Amino acid sequence: ELKVEQNPLFLSMQEGKNYTIYCNYSTTSDRLYWYRQDPGKSLESLFVLLSNGAVKQEGRLMASLDTKARLSTLHITAAVHDLSATYFCAAPPGETSGSRLTFGEGTQLTVNP
Amino acid sequence: GAVVSQHPSRVICKSGTSVKIECRSLDFQATTMFWYRQFPKQSLMLMATSNEGSKATYEQGVEKDKFLINHASLTLSTLTVTSAHPEDSSFYICSARKGAADTEAFFGQGTRLTVV
Repeated sequence: ELKVEQNPLFLSMQEGKNYTIYCNYSTTSDRLYWYRQDPGKSLESLFVLLSNGAVKQEGRLMASLDTKARLSTLHITAAVHDLSATYFCAAPPGETSGSRLTFGEGTQLTVNP
Repeated sequence: GAVVSQHPSRVICKSGTSVKIECRSLDFQATTMFWYRQFPKQSLMLMATSNEGSKATYEQGVEKDKFLINHASLTLSTLTVTSAHPEDSSFYICSARKGAADTEAFFGQGTRLTVV
């Protein structure tokens, strides 16, 4: 059974600082997804990482995937208040192209002025 | 493109009644739709996978007689919560995938169900 673990679960940081959220998954998976969720809202897709070594960047966020280590990271550069949200990583089981996803617990990010 | 719409966005129902939630893919045909449940401050848990024209596949621990899923067309899946109880109060989110080879599913805006 696939397990997806994120850390930290809670992150409070100051504007302008950098930080990394980690996502570990327990069994082979060929892709990894990152989502953002604002309070009371649904999920917003941030990144889809499809292969080992994949790196994607959008604004102040950069995500990477190491399938051998079963690890993905979401790096935040020079955080701003607008990035405050809960971030989820998710993976499908096995080497499938499906979107039947197992989600991590989520990382609640608060960026303080 | 790739818009998924859920309706209603919020619903309050009395204990013992049933409530139907719709998930529509507005600009694409979805061969597969997924239903998730999210309790406050928790992660999303997959409830079931529905494929158009066939029976839904439920995750372990999800009562198929309580959570009825119908995927009658390529653009519509419905989740009916039958005999609702307060513990069914949750945020229900659907996602839809265009085809088996597609790498991404698109999420609806979610439905907040409150059972009183």
